[in-house]
Amino acid sequence: DQQVKQNSPSLSVQEGRISILNCDYTNSMFDYFLWYKKYPAEGPTFLISISSIKDKNEDGRFTVFLNKSAKHLSLHIVPSQPGDSAVYFCAASARMNRDDKIIFGKGTRLHILP
Amino acid sequence: DTGVSQNPRHKITKRGQNVTFRCDPISEHNRLYWYRQTLGQGPEFLTYFQNEAQLEKSRLLSDRFSAERPKGSFSTLEIQRTEQGDSAMYLCASSSGTAYSNQPQHFGDGTRLSIL
Repeated sequence: DQQVKQNSPSLSVQEGRISILNCDYTNSMFDYFLWYKKYPAEGPTFLISISSIKDKNEDGRFTVFLNKSAKHLSLHIVPSQPGDSAVYFCAASARMNRDDKIIFGKGTRLHILP
Repeated sequence: DTGVSQNPRHKITKRGQNVTFRCDPISEHNRLYWYRQTLGQGPEFLTYFQNEAQLEKSRLLSDRFSAERPKGSFSTLEIQRTEQGDSAMYLCASSSGTAYSNQPQHFGDGTRLSIL
Protein backbone atom coordinates (compact mmCIF):
# COMPACT_ATOMS: atom_id res chain seq x y z
CA ASP A 1 0.00 0.00 0.00
CA GLN A 2 1.49 3.30 -1.14
CA GLN A 3 1.77 5.67 1.81
CA VAL A 4 3.20 8.43 -0.40
CA LYS A 5 1.50 8.93 -3.74
CA GLN A 6 2.57 10.93 -6.75
CA ASN A 7 -0.30 10.50 -9.14
CA SER A 8 1.27 12.24 -12.13
CA PRO A 9 3.99 10.08 -13.70
CA SER A 10 5.08 12.98 -15.89
CA LEU A 11 4.64 16.71 -16.37
CA SER A 12 5.69 19.06 -19.16
CA VAL A 13 6.15 22.78 -18.50
CA GLN A 14 7.36 25.63 -20.68
CA GLU A 15 10.69 27.16 -19.71
CA GLY A 16 10.15 30.24 -17.54
CA ARG A 17 6.73 29.11 -16.32
CA ILE A 18 5.86 27.63 -12.93
CA SER A 19 6.15 23.87 -12.37
CA ILE A 20 3.85 22.42 -9.73
CA LEU A 21 4.44 18.86 -8.57
CA ASN A 22 1.90 17.27 -6.27
CA CYS A 23 2.06 14.60 -3.60
CA ASP A 24 -0.47 12.98 -1.28
CA TYR A 25 0.17 10.87 1.78
CA THR A 26 -1.94 8.59 3.90
CA ASN A 27 0.01 8.12 7.14
CA SER A 28 -0.99 10.77 9.68
CA MET A 29 2.18 10.00 11.68
CA PHE A 30 4.38 11.58 8.98
CA ASP A 31 5.86 14.81 10.34
CA TYR A 32 8.77 15.55 8.00
CA PHE A 33 8.51 15.82 4.24
CA LEU A 34 11.20 16.08 1.60
CA TRP A 35 11.61 16.51 -2.13
CA TYR A 36 14.45 14.89 -4.01
CA LYS A 37 15.51 15.36 -7.60
CA LYS A 38 17.10 12.59 -9.62
CA TYR A 39 19.01 12.65 -12.88
CA PRO A 40 19.67 9.39 -14.80
CA ALA A 41 22.59 7.34 -13.44
CA GLU A 42 22.82 9.49 -10.32
CA GLY A 43 21.45 9.13 -6.82
CA PRO A 44 18.60 11.34 -5.54
CA THR A 45 19.68 14.85 -4.61
CA PHE A 46 18.01 16.59 -1.67
CA LEU A 47 16.11 19.70 -2.73
CA ILE A 48 13.97 21.03 0.06
CA SER A 49 12.12 19.82 3.14
CA ILE A 50 9.34 20.92 5.46
CA SER A 51 8.39 20.02 9.00
CA SER A 52 4.75 19.41 9.85
CA ILE A 53 4.75 22.47 12.12
CA LYS A 54 5.04 24.68 9.04
CA ASP A 55 2.86 25.09 5.99
CA LYS A 56 5.43 26.64 3.67
CA ASN A 57 9.16 26.56 3.14
CA GLU A 58 10.99 28.49 0.47
CA ASP A 59 14.51 28.15 -0.92
CA GLY A 60 15.32 30.21 -3.96
CA ARG A 61 13.21 29.05 -6.90
CA PHE A 62 11.77 26.15 -4.87
CA THR A 63 8.82 26.40 -2.50
CA VAL A 64 7.13 23.50 -0.73
CA PHE A 65 3.58 23.85 0.57
CA LEU A 66 2.06 21.50 3.14
CA ASN A 67 -1.66 21.07 3.75
CA LYS A 68 -1.91 18.71 6.72
CA SER A 69 -5.69 18.53 6.78
CA ALA A 70 -5.72 17.36 3.17
CA LYS A 71 -2.54 15.27 3.62
CA HIS A 72 -1.16 16.99 0.55
CA LEU A 73 2.05 18.73 -0.33
CA SER A 74 3.30 20.41 -3.46
CA LEU A 75 6.58 21.64 -4.86
CA HIS A 76 6.60 24.85 -6.86
CA ILE A 77 9.52 25.70 -9.12
CA VAL A 78 9.51 29.20 -10.54
CA PRO A 79 10.80 30.08 -13.01
CA SER A 80 11.37 26.63 -14.52
CA GLN A 81 14.74 26.12 -16.19
CA PRO A 82 16.01 23.44 -18.61
CA GLY A 83 18.22 21.95 -15.88
CA ASP A 84 15.10 21.24 -13.83
CA SER A 85 14.22 18.39 -16.19
CA ALA A 86 14.54 15.33 -13.95
CA VAL A 87 12.51 12.88 -11.86
CA TYR A 88 11.21 14.40 -8.63
CA PHE A 89 10.48 12.22 -5.62
CA CYS A 90 8.24 13.22 -2.75
CA ALA A 91 9.20 11.55 0.52
CA ALA A 92 8.08 11.48 4.14
CA SER A 93 9.13 10.20 7.53
CA ALA A 94 7.60 9.91 11.00
CA ARG A 95 10.42 11.29 13.11
CA MET A 96 8.54 11.89 16.32
CA ASN A 97 7.48 8.26 16.12
CA ARG A 98 11.18 7.32 16.28
CA ASP A 99 10.91 6.23 12.68
CA ASP A 100 13.77 7.69 10.69
CA LYS A 101 13.32 5.83 7.44
CA ILE A 102 12.06 7.77 4.44
CA ILE A 103 9.07 6.55 2.46
CA PHE A 104 9.24 7.64 -1.17
CA GLY A 105 6.61 8.13 -3.82
CA LYS A 106 7.10 6.68 -7.30
CA GLY A 107 8.27 9.97 -8.74
CA THR A 108 7.14 12.50 -11.34
CA ARG A 109 9.22 13.06 -14.45
CA LEU A 110 9.39 16.79 -15.20
CA HIS A 111 10.15 17.93 -18.75
CA ILE A 112 11.00 21.59 -19.24
CA LEU A 113 10.18 22.58 -22.80
CA PRO A 114 12.20 25.26 -24.63
CA ASP B 1 34.54 15.00 -3.04
CA THR B 2 32.89 14.82 0.38
CA GLY B 3 29.61 13.21 -0.68
CA VAL B 4 28.40 9.64 -0.14
CA SER B 5 30.52 7.21 -2.12
CA GLN B 6 29.37 3.78 -3.29
CA ASN B 7 31.39 1.00 -4.89
CA PRO B 8 31.17 -0.62 -7.30
CA ARG B 9 28.90 1.46 -9.55
CA HIS B 10 27.84 -1.60 -11.51
CA LYS B 11 27.88 -5.29 -10.67
CA ILE B 12 26.92 -8.08 -13.05
CA THR B 13 26.83 -11.58 -11.65
CA LYS B 14 25.30 -14.97 -12.22
CA ARG B 15 22.33 -16.16 -10.22
CA GLY B 16 23.43 -17.94 -7.07
CA GLN B 17 26.60 -15.95 -6.56
CA ASN B 18 27.29 -13.74 -3.54
CA VAL B 19 27.86 -10.00 -3.95
CA THR B 20 29.04 -7.28 -1.58
CA PHE B 21 28.62 -3.53 -1.94
CA ARG B 22 30.40 -0.81 -0.02
CA CYS B 23 29.20 2.61 1.11
CA ASP B 24 31.32 5.42 2.52
CA PRO B 25 29.08 8.05 4.09
CA ILE B 26 29.75 11.74 4.55
CA SER B 27 32.44 11.72 7.25
CA GLU B 28 30.63 13.55 10.02
CA HIS B 29 27.33 11.68 9.55
CA ASN B 30 26.43 9.15 12.23
CA ARG B 31 23.43 7.63 10.46
CA LEU B 32 23.67 5.42 7.39
CA TYR B 33 20.82 3.95 5.36
CA TRP B 34 20.42 1.39 2.59
CA TYR B 35 17.61 1.58 0.04
CA ARG B 36 16.74 -0.41 -3.07
CA GLN B 37 15.19 1.07 -6.21
CA THR B 38 13.64 -0.83 -9.07
CA LEU B 39 12.42 0.55 -12.39
CA GLY B 40 9.47 2.88 -12.08
CA GLN B 41 9.54 2.91 -8.30
CA GLY B 42 10.92 5.21 -5.67
CA PRO B 43 13.68 4.02 -3.36
CA GLU B 44 12.51 1.47 -0.77
CA PHE B 45 14.02 1.36 2.69
CA LEU B 46 16.11 -1.71 3.60
CA THR B 47 17.96 -0.92 6.83
CA TYR B 48 19.75 1.77 8.78
CA PHE B 49 22.54 2.26 11.29
CA GLN B 50 23.24 4.78 13.96
CA ASN B 51 27.00 4.61 14.35
CA GLU B 52 27.71 0.84 14.38
CA ALA B 53 24.29 -0.21 15.68
CA GLN B 54 21.77 -1.55 13.16
CA LEU B 55 18.50 -0.02 14.38
CA GLU B 56 15.90 -1.21 11.90
CA LYS B 57 15.54 -3.75 9.12
CA SER B 58 12.74 -3.83 6.55
CA ARG B 59 10.88 -7.03 5.83
CA LEU B 60 12.32 -6.61 2.32
CA LEU B 61 15.65 -7.61 3.82
CA SER B 62 15.42 -11.40 3.61
CA ASP B 63 17.87 -13.66 5.43
CA ARG B 64 20.03 -13.65 2.28
CA PHE B 65 20.82 -10.00 2.93
CA SER B 66 23.17 -8.77 5.61
CA ALA B 67 24.50 -5.31 6.33
CA GLU B 68 27.31 -4.24 8.61
CA ARG B 69 28.90 -1.05 9.79
CA PRO B 70 31.68 -2.40 11.98
CA LYS B 71 33.41 0.82 13.05
CA GLY B 72 30.57 3.23 12.57
CA SER B 73 32.12 4.56 9.38
CA PHE B 74 31.74 2.67 6.08
CA SER B 75 29.08 0.01 5.59
CA THR B 76 28.78 -3.14 3.50
CA LEU B 77 25.68 -4.80 2.13
CA GLU B 78 26.03 -8.46 1.20
CA ILE B 79 23.55 -10.54 -0.78
CA GLN B 80 24.05 -14.29 -0.68
CA ARG B 81 22.77 -16.72 -3.30
CA THR B 82 21.53 -13.92 -5.57
CA GLU B 83 18.22 -14.30 -7.37
CA GLN B 84 16.80 -12.61 -10.48
CA GLY B 85 14.57 -10.46 -8.30
CA ASP B 86 17.61 -8.93 -6.61
CA SER B 87 18.38 -6.95 -9.78
CA ALA B 88 17.98 -3.32 -8.74
CA MET B 89 19.82 -0.12 -7.87
CA TYR B 90 21.11 -0.24 -4.29
CA LEU B 91 21.37 3.22 -2.78
CA CYS B 92 23.18 4.32 0.34
CA ALA B 93 22.41 7.53 2.22
CA SER B 94 23.73 9.24 5.31
CA SER B 95 22.59 11.95 7.67
CA SER B 96 23.62 13.66 10.89
CA GLY B 97 21.73 14.26 14.08
CA THR B 98 19.19 12.30 16.03
CA ALA B 99 15.81 10.85 15.18
CA TYR B 100 14.17 14.10 16.20
CA SER B 101 16.35 16.44 14.20
CA ASN B 102 15.18 17.37 10.75
CA GLN B 103 18.34 16.59 8.86
CA PRO B 104 17.87 15.29 5.33
CA GLN B 105 19.46 12.12 4.06
CA HIS B 106 22.09 12.56 1.37
CA PHE B 107 22.40 9.81 -1.21
CA GLY B 108 25.23 8.24 -3.13
CA ASP B 109 24.96 7.40 -6.84
CA GLY B 110 24.16 3.77 -6.09
CA THR B 111 25.33 0.34 -7.17
CA ARG B 112 23.40 -1.17 -10.04
CA LEU B 113 23.14 -4.95 -9.66
CA SER B 114 22.27 -7.11 -12.65
CA ILE B 115 21.67 -10.83 -12.16
CA LEU B 116 22.17 -12.97 -15.25
